[in-house]
Amino acid sequence: GAGVSQSPRYKVAKRGQDVALRCDPISGHVSLFWYQQALGQGPEFLTYFQNEAQLDKSGLPSDRFFAERPEGSVSTLKIQRTQQEDSAVYLCASSLLQFARSGTGELFFGEGSRLTVL
Amino acid sequence: QQQVKQSPQSLIVQKGGISIINCAYENTAFDYFPWYQQFPGKGPALLIAIRPDVSEKKEGRFTISFNKSAKQFSLHIMDSQPGDSATYFCAPGGQNFVFGPGTRLSVLP
Repeated sequence: GAGVSQSPRYKVAKRGQDVALRCDPISGHVSLFWYQQALGQGPEFLTYFQNEAQLDKSGLPSDRFFAERPEGSVSTLKIQRTQQEDSAVYLCASSLLQFARSGTGELFFGEGSRLTVL
Repeated sequence: QQQVKQSPQSLIVQKGGISIINCAYENTAFDYFPWYQQFPGKGPALLIAIRPDVSEKKEGRFTISFNKSAKQFSLHIMDSQPGDSATYFCAPGGQNFVFGPGTRLSVLP
């Protein structure tokens, strides 16, 4: 596709359920980021992949959050035993460049997956 | 934790006016200074960015100014239009990007 695609766009989960959010980055993009955006706030960094390698997961809020990108393209963010505080928009972004040492280059964002935990 | 601050939190400007949004950061390792624009229900999109070797960059109605010693950079929107009404984020980059809290701009027709 032409842009970053995320699914589902909307997800309602009962507290305690597991959810999986999918990101299809732009073809050929090396870097992939996940961000969490609470209502009225700026995106908060969760994790970063360079190809299939997860180079930084320092932003994951707890061990209930897990992300993978096994073949270096599609990525999945999994949240286990969801809590109400997990309600947010989860944004995926990809970039053509590597960010191992320097944050340069444009991030292309998807429209996000809005998670509501009841 | 890296800190990025934006001011003002919100801004109302008349059509044709100048909108100015400021960003202050702490991490001197940042080496890329972008502004992103976000409309409701959409992901952020890059508006304009600057590298630390220049102090100003202009693209159409949008200008970014960078003050390395003060660790600040700003976005100027000239001849503001109602279509510019959105939330703007600075997102200085190092090994990843740290987004500011956002500035909600409303341009009145």
